[in-house]
Amino acid sequence: AQRVTQPEKLLSVFKGAPVELKCNYSYSGSPELFWYVQYSRQRLQLLLRHISRESIKGFTADLNKGETSFHLKKPFAQEEDSAMYYCALLVTGRRALTFGSGTRLQVQP
Amino acid sequence: DSGVTQTPKHLITATGQRVTLRCSPRSGDLSVYWYQQSLDQGLQFLIQYYNGEERAKGNILERFSAQQFPDLHSELNLSSLELGDSALYFCASSVGNGYEQYFGPGTRLTVT
Repeated sequence: AQRVTQPEKLLSVFKGAPVELKCNYSYSGSPELFWYVQYSRQRLQLLLRHISRESIKGFTADLNKGETSFHLKKPFAQEEDSAMYYCALLVTGRRALTFGSGTRLQVQP
Repeated sequence: DSGVTQTPKHLITATGQRVTLRCSPRSGDLSVYWYQQSLDQGLQFLIQYYNGEERAKGNILERFSAQQFPDLHSELNLSSLELGDSALYFCASSVGNGYEQYFGPGTRLTVT
C-alpha cells in the first residue's frame, strides 16, 4: 500500500532562513505528488503539484524517484509562511489522496 | 477562495446522535471527496462520489454514509456518534479522477 512520510512534526526557522520540508513516499508505480498548506483555522490549499513544476509563493518541490522524495523548499522563509504543510500522494487508478501526517512550519521574526 | 462550501461550520452534539454535513463542490466539478482530520489519525480519506455514484471508499465506518445528489452537492451522514468521532470533516472536489482536489473550509464536529 502507498504511504507518505513527513518525518518532522515541527520545523522552526528564523525569517530569511532557508526551509526544507521533507516528504518521502512509498509506491512502486508513478505517483502524483502534491503539497497542501493549511494556515491557521483555514482550509487546505493546494500549494504545488509536481507535474506543473511551478514555483508558488517562492516554494518549489522536485520529485526524486530514486530517493522517493518530494521535499518542499524555499530559499528565504517569511513569517507568513507559518502554517501546516501536508504532502499528499495520488496513485494511478485510485481516486483519493494519501496524506502525510503534516509538518508545522514556524517562522520566527 | 476555492469555491467549495461546507455547512455547518461547527456542530456540537451528544453521543448517540445523528448529524448531516453538507458540501457543495466548485462549479463544474463532478467529484466530491470526504476526509476526516483528527489529532490522532491525521487526514484520512473517507469516501468519494463522482457524478452521483460512489467511486471509492476509504476508512469510513459503517455508521457513516454519504450520497451525492443530482445537483452534485453531497451529504455525509454520521450516526450513533461517539466521542472519537469529534474531528474536522473536509469535503474536496475535483473535475474528475486524477485531478487536483480543492478543499472546503471544513465542518468541526464536537461530540460531547
